Amino acid sequence: AQKVTQAQTEISVVEKEDVTLDCVYETRDTTYYLFWYKQPPSGELVFLIRRNSFDEQNEISGRYSWNFQKSTSSFNFTITASQVVDSAVYFCALSEVGGYKLSFGAGTTVTVRA
Amino acid sequence: AAGVIQSPRHLIKEKRETATLKCYPIPRHDTVYWYQQGPGQDPQFLISFYEKMQSDKGSIPDRFSAQQFSDYHSELNMSSLELGDSALYFCASSSRDRGNLNEQFFGPGTRLTVL
Repeated sequence: AQKVTQAQTEISVVEKEDVTLDCVYETRDTTYYLFWYKQPPSGELVFLIRRNSFDEQNEISGRYSWNFQKSTSSFNFTITASQVVDSAVYFCALSEVGGYKLSFGAGTTVTVRA
Repeated sequence: AAGVIQSPRHLIKEKRETATLKCYPIPRHDTVYWYQQGPGQDPQFLISFYEKMQSDKGSIPDRFSAQQFSDYHSELNMSSLELGDSALYFCASSSRDRGNLNEQFFGPGTRLTVL
């Protein structure tokens, strides 16, 4: 069984502050994929980033960065210099090779105030 | 670039009625997934199809059925609708043969309201 935990229910920040979203996962598989999705108020699910279990290199993509630590089963996501348009629900998700279905965390609602 | 198409975008039904949701995957994608997202909830996996065969099944009620057709589009059929079926239903597609395993592209969703 796989499980994704996002302990933060809501985060509120002022524009230009950095926001870090926590994600902890559980899986028995040695090969798996981790994702972050954004769901703005309009409802669509927007793919942000993907990481496979063999690649712990942390990267930065524009204002987004992530910290994948296999030793602690964590896959944290940071938005740098937040903007009002970043206000959304952010979901961390996990999938196993073979099954492919996504298991989502409960989501973290981010509100960025001007 | 072409995206996943879902129709209808909004659907209102009465209790005990039947609903059919349609999904048109990205061209040349061979796998379709269905997810249900209740109000304030995270998306829950329902069912998936690979090359027109059911490949995985999640928490899909017996009242629901789905299939993938020869043109790879998929339909989710929901019968004896209940108030609790009110949700946003997402379809996603992916291609297992392109080296982009697990990269699912989501459609805009169908918002079903059961009155």
